Amino acid sequence: GEEVAQTPKHLVRGEGQKAKLYCAPIKGHSYVFWYQQVLKNEFKFLISFQNENVFDETGMPKERFSAKCLPNSPCSLEIQATKLEDSAVYFCASSPWGGRKPEAFFGQGTRLTVV
Amino acid sequence: EDQVTQSPEALRLQEGESSSLNCSYTVSGLRGLFWYRQDPGKGPEFLFTLYSAGEEKEKERLKATLTKKESFLHITAPKPEDSATYLCAVLKNAGGTSYGKLTFGQGTILTVHP
Repeated sequence: GEEVAQTPKHLVRGEGQKAKLYCAPIKGHSYVFWYQQVLKNEFKFLISFQNENVFDETGMPKERFSAKCLPNSPCSLEIQATKLEDSAVYFCASSPWGGRKPEAFFGQGTRLTVV
Repeated sequence: EDQVTQSPEALRLQEGESSSLNCSYTVSGLRGLFWYRQDPGKGPEFLFTLYSAGEEKEKERLKATLTKKESFLHITAPKPEDSATYLCAVLKNAGGTSYGKLTFGQGTILTVHP
């Protein structure tokens, strides 16, 4: 598609429940990123993929967060045993990279509320 | 450590009152600097990429400029529909064909009153 598609738009989970978020990158884009937006406008980097390979996962709280980008499937971000502090908007972005086109294009986000 | 600082945090303008937003950055090996616009409840919308000091890009009432330490987003004769949060982000050069990491500033909330 021509835009990054994130589902669902809103997700409510009880503390301790699992949450799974999905992202379909723009067709032809080989890089995918996940960001967490919390208080005010702070964007926290979580993880990036180059095709199906993890490229940089330095921002991931590994004990509860995991992510995948498999061929012919939407990318996913999964949070096991959600905590109140996981409440945030999670954005996915994709980029074609290559040459002089490093722009990353963002989806509309998934608002996760942990109650 | 890479740092991106935007100022002011919030800016209120009257329609037609031109102004500038600032993005100061400290990053070793800048690959590119991006400006995004974010409306409430939406994802960041790409505006500009700047690659090297001295470069300028324009789009409608917006003009972005870049020096070795900062970038400015100039807004000329703004309209109420320009009200949004403007985000600056830097892409660090990871070398070769590697993408690197996109680091965001905290944004400037712009409100334009009619």
